[in-house]
Amino acid sequence: TQLLEQSPQFLSIQEGENLTVYCNSSSVFSSLQWYRQEPGEGPVLLVTVVTGGEVKKLKRLTFQFGDARKDSSLHITAAQPGDTGLYLCAGARDNYGQNFVFGPGTRLSVLP
Amino acid sequence: EAQVTQNPRYLITVTGKKLTVTCSQNMNHEYMSWYRQDPGLGLRQIYYSMNVEVTDKGDVPEGYKVSRKEKRNFPLILESPSPNQTSLYFCASSRLFMNTEAFFGQGTRLTVV
Repeated sequence: TQLLEQSPQFLSIQEGENLTVYCNSSSVFSSLQWYRQEPGEGPVLLVTVVTGGEVKKLKRLTFQFGDARKDSSLHITAAQPGDTGLYLCAGARDNYGQNFVFGPGTRLSVLP
Repeated sequence: EAQVTQNPRYLITVTGKKLTVTCSQNMNHEYMSWYRQDPGLGLRQIYYSMNVEVTDKGDVPEGYKVSRKEKRNFPLILESPSPNQTSLYFCASSRLFMNTEAFFGQGTRLTVV
């Protein structure tokens, strides 16, 4: 069974601070996705990383896929209250990137 | 507007009373799936479907049924709900492409008493 762990489970920071959240597994994934979920809503895709070592940037968010494709990190620069939410990573369990297993999430709170 | 629509959003029911949660998507997606979300456990897949009349079990299928008679609809059926099925349920759809984006509904919060 492929399992994903995320850390920290909870994170509360002040506006303007930087932070990094992690997604780890003992399994290799063909691709990995990051989603953000806001209260009362379904998750929304932020990024997909496919190649080991790949780095993608989305404004103040930087995503990295580990060289061995077993882990990933999400770094947020100068966090804003609008970044508050549950961040979920999801690893593809097949080679087609269709069927994903989700981690438990990191709940981020950015205080003004 | 492209969307995945679930109904109802909230449901309180009693143990053993059959219920159906509907899911409909207007994006002509081939792939649809159901998840349940519980605190500390993340999203766990219940069932998925790669196309009409094709369904497969996910990680936690016990106590659930699904059907895919039309491409746009993927209802989740609980024949005899139990309290351990109290959860937040999400339907998702995506194209059958590599590393495609999954679009999620807004969720159905189910309480079984």
